[in-house]
Amino acid sequence: KQEVTQIPAALSVPEGENLVLNCSFTDSAIYNLQWFRQDPGKGLTSLLLIQSSQREQTSGRLNASLDKSSGRSTLYIAASQPGDSATYLCAVRRNAGNMLTFGGGTRLMVKP
Amino acid sequence: DVKVTQSSRYLVKRTGEKVFLECVQDMDHENMFWYRQDPGLGLRLIYFSYDVKMKEKGDIPEGYSVSREKKERFSLILESASTNQTSMYLCASSPSYNPQGLETQYFGPGTRLLVL
Repeated sequence: KQEVTQIPAALSVPEGENLVLNCSFTDSAIYNLQWFRQDPGKGLTSLLLIQSSQREQTSGRLNASLDKSSGRSTLYIAASQPGDSATYLCAVRRNAGNMLTFGGGTRLMVKP
Repeated sequence: DVKVTQSSRYLVKRTGEKVFLECVQDMDHENMFWYRQDPGLGLRLIYFSYDVKMKEKGDIPEGYSVSREKKERFSLILESASTNQTSMYLCASSPSYNPQGLETQYFGPGTRLLVL
C-alpha cells in the first residue's frame, strides 16, 4: 500500500528565504506526483504536476523535483513571500483511474 | 475555469442523523471523488465515481455511501452520522484518463461537518 509522508509538518520562515518542502513515498510505481496548495478553510489548488518520466517542473518561483527510484520529491520555493503562507500537500497518482494518495501536508508560514 | 461547488460550507448534525453532502461540477468531468481531511492525516479517499451510476470504494468507505445519478452531481451520504465522522469533506472532479497522465483533480471549497 502506497504511503506518502511530508516533512516537516510545519515551517515558519522570514520573508525572502528560499525553502524546501519534502515528500517521500513508499512505492515507486507511480503515474505522476502533484503538489497542491491549500489556504485555510479552502479547497486545494494544483501547483505543479510531474510525470513519472520527468525529473522536475517549474512554475514561477516554484520548482518541484522527482526522484522515483528513491521515492522522493521536493518543492523548492524561492524568495518566499507572506502570500505563500498556506498548507502544501503532495499527492501521488496510483493508477489510470486518477486515484491519488496524499501526504499529511506541510503548513508554511512566511513572516513579513 | 473549472468550478466545483459543494452544497454547504458548514454543517452541524446530531449523532444518528442521515446526512447528505452534495457536489456539483460544471466541466463535464467523468471522474468525481469524495475525500475527508483530518489534521495531520492529509486527504483520504472515501469513494470515487468514473461514470454515472458507477462507484468504487476508496480507502475509508465504512459508514459512507454515495450516489451519482447525473454526470455533474456526486452525493456523499452518511447513513447514521457518528462523532468520528466530524471532519472536513472535500469533493473533486477530473477528466477521464488521457495517455499523458496530465489530468489533475479540481477541488471544491470543502464542507466542515460537526457531528454532536
